[in-house]
Amino acid sequence: SQTIHQWPATLVQPVGSPLSLECTVEGTSNPNLYWYRQAAGRGLQLLFYSVGIGQISSEVPQNLSASRPQDRQFILSSKKLLLSDSGFYLCAWSVLSGFEQYFGPGTRLTVT
Amino acid sequence: AQTVTQSQPEMSVQEAETVTLSCTYDTSESDYYLFWYKQPPSRQMILVIRQEAYKQQNATENRFSVNFQKAAKSFSLKISDSQLGDAAMYFCLTTSGTYKYIFGTGTRLKVLA
Repeated sequence: SQTIHQWPATLVQPVGSPLSLECTVEGTSNPNLYWYRQAAGRGLQLLFYSVGIGQISSEVPQNLSASRPQDRQFILSSKKLLLSDSGFYLCAWSVLSGFEQYFGPGTRLTVT
Repeated sequence: AQTVTQSQPEMSVQEAETVTLSCTYDTSESDYYLFWYKQPPSRQMILVIRQEAYKQQNATENRFSVNFQKAAKSFSLKISDSQLGDAAMYFCLTTSGTYKYIFGTGTRLKVLA
């Protein structure tokens, strides 16, 4: 069966510090991978998606970046965090575009 | 552009009763998919049910079923025999087979004991 992991679960970082959130998927090959952000009480905003190693598409211009160094690994990064980067970050995978997505447990990021 | 509208920010249901969550969407695509996801207090998104637009038969998953009205672009979720564990935020979403999944704003469901 397939599983998706995210870490860390919770993170508190000062403004201006770097960020690295990691997502890994097990039990499937060449998944589509997604990063979402969810503000409190709001819906999900797509940040990045990837259809293969090294292939990253950005949906929203911001100070975040994403990388996919391995088939089942997706990393969300920032060189300098802003207060507005606080939120709940969810990683998801799907077999193909248009199919159901499966989400990780999420990372709660607080920028102070 | 695709849009999804959930007009009920919050709903309440008595335990063991039935509740229906509304969702309407707009799309110019001829082929698309619709989903309901549940987000409990843990905030992990959990797939509840999936519907292919080309299928006329309404999808069902145990106590969860949908009423898919393609002409009206309506995709409501019915939860039968509501349980305390059903309390969560429910999101309706659609995709036309690309990377873009369009989410509604969500409906918070409270289950009263």
